[in-house]
Amino acid sequence: QSALTQPASVSGSPGQSITFSCSGTSSDVGTYNLVSWYQHHPGKAPKLMIYEGSKRPSGVSNRFSGSKSGNTASLTISGLQAEDEADYYCCSYAGANTWVFGGGTKVTVL
Amino acid sequence: EVQLLESGGGLVQPGGSLRLSCTASGFIFSSHAVTWVRQAPGKGLEWVSAITGGGGTTYYADSVKGRFTISRDNSKNTVSLVINSLRVEDTALYYCAKVTASTVDYWGQGTLVTVSS
Repeated sequence: QSALTQPASVSGSPGQSITFSCSGTSSDVGTYNLVSWYQHHPGKAPKLMIYEGSKRPSGVSNRFSGSKSGNTASLTISGLQAEDEADYYCCSYAGANTWVFGGGTKVTVL
Repeated sequence: EVQLLESGGGLVQPGGSLRLSCTASGFIFSSHAVTWVRQAPGKGLEWVSAITGGGGTTYYADSVKGRFTISRDNSKNTVSLVINSLRVEDTALYYCAKVTASTVDYWGQGTLVTVSS
């Protein structure tokens, strides 16, 4: 049950695109197409942005997209906006009703 | 609208116990697993425990196995997490969240547990 690996921080200017990764293992990210991404503003409930690797829940902007290759998943935010500044966590299903999360990536809009 | 509301957090001495509660609304409660996830100060999210919709099967992270007990009362739309033998390292914001098709989808805002002498 080792945590997924995410970069601690990523930054970009308004309008730019940023992409950051989430590295797991063959026991989680590599086996299950069940990677999700959450946007978390401190003091608020985390919000699901991407599920099953690349699907967006209703109401989530299409500026957010997800992908996966092997044991690594990625989240891309296009057309970066000030409101996108938040912490982002990846999560992978790890089998038998267990999950593993990443350490989080702080996104800063310059 | 799906809502989850945690309660029961507080300041506890090492070795003490707490009972956290999660009250849900806005969905068919008994049809969904519920999970607890925690976030220690300055740290990332850590999965802690889960319980199936019917309550018949429970799951725990290795770090809490034997000290944490999850349960649910589907007649009251509540899930509880009893934490025994509290340690300083259990200090965290504890979130409960709904599970749909193996995805943790909706979260509460959390309840803070502080373990300190």
